[in-house]
Amino acid sequence: AAGVIQSPRHLIKEKRETATLKCYPIPRHDTVYWYQQGPGQDPQFLISFYEKMQSDKGSIPDRFSAQQFSDYHSELNMSSLELGDSALYFCASSSGTGVTYEQYFGPGTRLTVT
Amino acid sequence: ILNVEQSPQSLHVQEGDSTNFTCSFPSSNFYALHWYRWETAKSPEALFVMTLNGDEKKKGRISATLNTKEGYSYLYIKGSQPEDSATYLCAFKGGGSNYKLTFGKGTLLTVNP
Repeated sequence: AAGVIQSPRHLIKEKRETATLKCYPIPRHDTVYWYQQGPGQDPQFLISFYEKMQSDKGSIPDRFSAQQFSDYHSELNMSSLELGDSALYFCASSSGTGVTYEQYFGPGTRLTVT
Repeated sequence: ILNVEQSPQSLHVQEGDSTNFTCSFPSSNFYALHWYRWETAKSPEALFVMTLNGDEKKKGRISATLNTKEGYSYLYIKGSQPEDSATYLCAFKGGGSNYKLTFGKGTLLTVNP
């Protein structure tokens, strides 16, 4: 069965550079979530999209922006990168936003900022 | 700020042992509790979504219970196998936002052969 695809899987950037992470949800899933997991931390919710509109926002820095496109894939754009942005970034998708809808996670993108 | 706590942080058991661990979450504005199994270098794998107080769910040797009044869920693994070694994450979905999950830090289970 098709899963959530994230690219790239690994990314190394320098401070103050820009990074773009991509997420391709499971086919026919219309909702995408982004999570950030720092070293030794639990995953923290960043932002979500439902039907190409932002549906919820968590602890996402102003330097980050995201959007969901017409084919439902999503991109997380990160500018002026800081050392503290080094983390594993997960994308998850679901087929709706109801209470019991399961979120299916991608393998993550590991971002290292040097 | 929502607080989702998991205990213990890590656990070592012998193959064949049964084990359990706990997820605590806010008892107010409860919508759902998710359990995930996460092996290193792989995606978190959904195990259960639980919504009703008293829910019990089972998948093979793994089962979970839910108490929304007191705000806890137990995950049980019967007859642990080395392939059960993983981090088990619980995530809370609360009222006010039925989109995002708030995760605990996970319980790292190691099953020794």
